Amino acid sequence: QVQLQQSGPELVKPGALVKISCKASGYTFTSYDINWVKQRPGQGLEWIGWIYPGDGSTKYNEKFKGKATLTADKSSSTAYMQLSSLTSENSAVYFCARGGPLGAGDFDYWGQGTTLTV
Amino acid sequence: QIVLSQSPAILSASPGEKVTMTCRASSSVSYMHWYQQKPGSSPKPWIYATSNLASGVPARFSGSGSGTSYSLTISRVEAEDAATYYCQQWSSNPLTFGAGTKLELK
Repeated sequence: QVQLQQSGPELVKPGALVKISCKASGYTFTSYDINWVKQRPGQGLEWIGWIYPGDGSTKYNEKFKGKATLTADKSSSTAYMQLSSLTSENSAVYFCARGGPLGAGDFDYWGQGTTLTV
Repeated sequence: QIVLSQSPAILSASPGEKVTMTCRASSSVSYMHWYQQKPGSSPKPWIYATSNLASGVPARFSGSGSGTSYSLTISRVEAEDAATYYCQQWSSNPLTFGAGTKLELK
């Protein structure tokens, strides 16, 4: 079965950087894009960007350019999101989510979320 | 960017009642997707491509709409349906979500 297993909670100091992982299993990692979504406490969902592990191509929400860097390691079927120059505004739960098979722009599987506290 | 406005923000319903929540887009979109989220959990795919129920979603749920107006309807609300429902579009970059409709059971 498809699973996206994210890394554990992070507590970091302002100005630092952090790298969150999302390990995929149960499907061909290189055939589906991985998206990243931010959710601040008690608030809604915000799309950060996606990466297509097949060729490493990425697309970012303009708001997160320079803040987030998305990478993928095909050998371990793991996607990563690095966040830099952290401030309290970056404290949130971050989810990875797989792009749906129909290419309709939906997400069909989600990770459990990683809580980042700055 | 396309702004998605969900209404109402909070929906209070009694078990067995029919309810509808709406999602209005600032520009026309091709599809609308919906997710259900309960506190402390990740969002679950609920309705994709406007009207298709995700795996495991009860048949009392339905989705419809086109252009700038979309809706999610529950024919007879049950206690387990209490959650926040988010709409989402990706007809235009960036992908955006609505602010959510919180469904509360009386």
